[in-house]
Amino acid sequence: GAGVSQSPSNKVTEKGKDVELRCDPISGHTALYWYRQSLGQGLEFLIYFQGNSAPDKSGLPSDRFSAERTGGSVSTLTIQRTQQEDSAVYLCASSSIGVYEQYFGPGTRLTVT
Amino acid sequence: GESVGLHLPTLSVQEGDNSIINCAYSNSASDYFIWYKQESGKGPQFIIDIRSNMDKRQGQRVTVLLNKTVKHLSLQIAATQPGDSAVYFCAGAVGGNNDMRFGAGTRLTVKP
Repeated sequence: GAGVSQSPSNKVTEKGKDVELRCDPISGHTALYWYRQSLGQGLEFLIYFQGNSAPDKSGLPSDRFSAERTGGSVSTLTIQRTQQEDSAVYLCASSSIGVYEQYFGPGTRLTVT
Repeated sequence: GESVGLHLPTLSVQEGDNSIINCAYSNSASDYFIWYKQESGKGPQFIIDIRSNMDKRQGQRVTVLLNKTVKHLSLQIAATQPGDSAVYFCAGAVGGNNDMRFGAGTRLTVKP
């Protein structure tokens, strides 16, 4: 079956604009994660959805960042009033209930000019 | 452990040598660990996992060692090849609800 997909693959936006990044997890996976990876650095946890539970938003760096997961499937990460420091690759991953292994998408490379 | 936003430590090895990549974790309650490999331009991919009731697990050319006393695990790659060049992350399970957190990662470069 298909893996995790993300769109767009690349996004260039002007400072101050809002952006939406989309993640389609593997069908049936109940857990969904968003990470940020700046150039040459590690994975920064942003937010975690598990089924119908309240999401763990502890990693969101500011209130400009928000995420939704509709119908327990597709997720959208929204960054409002983008700043240059938001430039990074945004990775989405999903996993099946009771399974820790996360399957990653290819990421969205965001560039804020 | 769970540090983020740091420049990656690097390891450079000669092709054919063995590589050892280390990871320290902070949460003594972590009971499951995974090593991931991230090639340039791609998302991380699963390599090997280990549960806390084990201290060693072997795969194809890879071995993971877990020392719970000092909260340390390592990934050993035998006969390192150019295709092994990547960033390697360890991740530990936090709690029991699919929640895993990633370490900072190590960049492995294999010299021909």
